[in-house]
Amino acid sequence: AQSVTQLDSQVPVFEEAPVELRCNYSSSVSVYLFWYVQYPNQGLQLLLKYLSGSTLVKGINGFEAEFNKSQTSFHLRKPSVHISDTAEYFCAVSGSYAGTASKLTFGTGTRLQVTL
Amino acid sequence: SAVISQKPSRDICQRGTSLTIQCQVDSQVTMMFWYRQQPGQSLTLIATANQGSEATYESGFVIDKFPISRPNLTFSTLTVSNMSPEDSSIYLCSGRQGAGTEAFFGQGTRLTVV
Repeated sequence: AQSVTQLDSQVPVFEEAPVELRCNYSSSVSVYLFWYVQYPNQGLQLLLKYLSGSTLVKGINGFEAEFNKSQTSFHLRKPSVHISDTAEYFCAVSGSYAGTASKLTFGTGTRLQVTL
Repeated sequence: SAVISQKPSRDICQRGTSLTIQCQVDSQVTMMFWYRQQPGQSLTLIATANQGSEATYESGFVIDKFPISRPNLTFSTLTVSNMSPEDSSIYLCSGRQGAGTEAFFGQGTRLTVV
């Protein structure tokens, strides 16, 4: 089984400042990792995903994340945030082997609040 | 990725009644899932909707309370039965083509039970 921990429930940041949203996972098998964003009253939208290969993954809206296997982390970063980035961000994991790969397990979410 | 149309987007229901939520995908999808998201919280998987067979429920969720249908590869329904105020939540359907692919989501159904 897999689990995900998002250490920060809320992250306040000023516009144009950098931000990092932290995500740690636990799994007994190799994993796939995902970051999703949820705007108010909407479903979830994929920001980026790590399947294999380069540990630095670039996504939409200027976000990127780095997979660190030794630290079992997949932190999300953006060098300069915008007001429109205010949303809830979810980290998710699934196993990469058959039988473990179908279900996504989500973290508890981090509320990113960008202010002027 | 595929697009899921979910309806209704919101509803207010009387306790003791049932509500059926529908999800239509614009293309065939291998796997479909139903999640519950309580206010300000993360997503909890209710069940995996299996095409042509009974859904696979997660611990804490039972078929009598949350019957699910998936008659084909593009459509699924979730019924919330005999509702109580504790069932007030957002319900989301999701699709996924397989391992190594991302999940995509419907817009959610915001359910309030009074």
